[in-house]
Amino acid sequence: GQQVMQIPQYQHVQEGEDFTTYCNSSTTLSNIQWYKQRPGGHPVFLIQLVKSGEVKKQKRLTFQFGEAKKNSSLHITATQTTDVGTYFCSGSQGNLIFGKGTKLSVKP
Amino acid sequence: DTEVTQTPKHLVMGMTNKKSLKCEQHMGHRAMYWYKQKAKKPPELMFVYSYEKLSINESVPSRFSPECPNSSLLNLHLHALQPEDSALYLCASSQDPGRLAKNIQYFGAGTRLSVL
Repeated sequence: GQQVMQIPQYQHVQEGEDFTTYCNSSTTLSNIQWYKQRPGGHPVFLIQLVKSGEVKKQKRLTFQFGEAKKNSSLHITATQTTDVGTYFCSGSQGNLIFGKGTKLSVKP
Repeated sequence: DTEVTQTPKHLVMGMTNKKSLKCEQHMGHRAMYWYKQKAKKPPELMFVYSYEKLSINESVPSRFSPECPNSSLLNLHLHALQPEDSALYLCASSQDPGRLAKNIQYFGAGTRLSVL
């Protein structure tokens, strides 16, 4: 069945450093979505990528969808303590299949 | 309004109890979902309702029984649960499950369930 792999599992950074999480699928995806879950919170939708090679930016966050639509990345420039949380990618072939998430901690 | 409301926020129940989790959305979404999330794990899909009909049951034990009384409401009835069922139960909704660009899911805050 379809699998969505996400690495790294954990990332500890100093405030101001950059952060990247990667997502890979065993099959071609219709689209990919990224969610953020703060500690004790619930997943909150960040962005959806649909087109091959698509790049979208939200302030310090850059999202990329691979040319083959099998991989994606989320890059945060100059992390802040408010970026703390777990970032999930989720591939769609109808319903969402979540990656295991990358837990980001930021040391002030 | 992009809110999905879940009640209760917390629930403690014994293994012989019967309880229900409730979820409500007023965004006009026609797909609603139940997820189970254990600590440090991603959300795990349990059920999907499309246009008030159960479309997906991910081999969930029968002690979990979903119900969709109308397009705005989703319930999860619980009976004879086990301690390993303790988890965060998340409800989500999306606009139209059949249309690619519109299946963004909006999650509720969840019900944190403890089974003793």
